[in-house]
Amino acid sequence: DTAVSQTPKYLVTQMGNDKSIKCEQNLGHDTMYWYKQDSKKFLKIMFSYNNKELIINETVPNRFSPKSPDKAHLNLHINSLELGDSAVYFCASSQDWGDHQPQHFGDGTRLSIL
Amino acid sequence: GENVEQHPSTLSVQEGDSAVIKCTYSDSASNYFPWYKQELGKRPQLIIDIRSNVGEKKDQRIAVTLNKTAKHFSLHITETQPEDSAVYFCAASRGYGGSQGNLIFGKGTKLSVKP
Repeated sequence: DTAVSQTPKYLVTQMGNDKSIKCEQNLGHDTMYWYKQDSKKFLKIMFSYNNKELIINETVPNRFSPKSPDKAHLNLHINSLELGDSAVYFCASSQDWGDHQPQHFGDGTRLSIL
Repeated sequence: GENVEQHPSTLSVQEGDSAVIKCTYSDSASNYFPWYKQELGKRPQLIIDIRSNVGEKKDQRIAVTLNKTAKHFSLHITETQPEDSAVYFCAASRGYGGSQGNLIFGKGTKLSVKP
């Protein structure tokens, strides 16, 4: 069983569309994250959620709206997609919020904007 | 904000040689430093981590050293093998303002091990 699973794996869409990416973890972790990895492989944190509550929004445009229906799921909805949104989006989870917590990553969703 | 610098950006070694990747961080309150390996098209995977109360940690062919005074830490891979070829990322935890769980990543080092 995959510990952190994301769907879809690939997403190709037109500029201006709205799309969602889903993430689920079966590790029993309290904390989940979304990262963006750009074409230069730079990994940047976008959001952190702890027990369904938003902890950190790292100055991400409000076109990006995460939603956590329960602590095992953290979905990412993106409105009005732009060319610069093309990237690989990784979901991750950790035991809880705080230092020294290893983060486990999903396999990523490759988003391509045409 | 916190910054993590990673060097070199690319590293090519012969099979069997050692590889060293170095990172520096700016936030003196950081106290958790993981290293991730990312193979082409795959997810980042944690390979080793170190906490600030430890100066060195080793796991088989991989070791990490930490110098908190100088604010730098390094990854050492000995007896490299072709399957070690990947992009390696260092990271440091944020120390303040409720962001302690967040990691700031370096820009990655592409390691190539030639047979």
